[in-house]
Amino acid sequence: DADVTQTPRNRITKTGKRIMLECSQTKGHDRMYWYRQDPGLGLRLIYYSFDVKDINKGEISDGYSVSRQAQAKFSLSLESAIPNQTALYFCATSDGPQGSYEQYFGPGTRLTVT
Amino acid sequence: GIQVEQSPPDLILQEGANSTLRCNFSDSVNNLQWFHQNPWGQLINLFYIPSGTKQNGRLSATTVATERYSLLYISSSQTTDSGVYFCAVGYNNNDMRFGAGTRLTVKP
Repeated sequence: DADVTQTPRNRITKTGKRIMLECSQTKGHDRMYWYRQDPGLGLRLIYYSFDVKDINKGEISDGYSVSRQAQAKFSLSLESAIPNQTALYFCATSDGPQGSYEQYFGPGTRLTVT
Repeated sequence: GIQVEQSPPDLILQEGANSTLRCNFSDSVNNLQWFHQNPWGQLINLFYIPSGTKQNGRLSATTVATERYSLLYISSSQTTDSGVYFCAVGYNNNDMRFGAGTRLTVKP
């Protein structure tokens, strides 16, 4: 089984709808991240969390919110989706200073906002 | 934030050729990773290499942290090596930054 899973894998939604993307991990890592990737570009960090009570904004947090429901679960919400949020979204996990900073990525969620 | 530049942006090789991909970054880092994104969009960890040299089969990587660059070497390239190679850097994972990638095409 995959260590980092994302649901759904593909989603088409309409402008103005609320949508939630979910991420679960079995790696036992404290740190979790949400990134987006636009065509032809690298990934950009949206939000990250170092533990259940810690949430931090990344490079491009406007229009997004997150919830860290448990150590293993980190969800990303688009409160009112707009077409320029069409992208490939990745969740990632890592250990912290006690281990390695290496990040492990889920398979991605392809989101289309029409 | 940290700036990351990758070169070249595109690379076309004949199967069997060798190549070197470069990643320059603008500040001190304690996390540097190389990824391969396959045609299906999956990100595959290649190396976690904030400093030093590592090898894994036909791939190797070197990071010279004091000079703020990293190199990824691919030897005897195969068509399955095609895809986009990303370098990502950060400090304490507070704000990981990705380069724009190098798109590699290996022709049979």
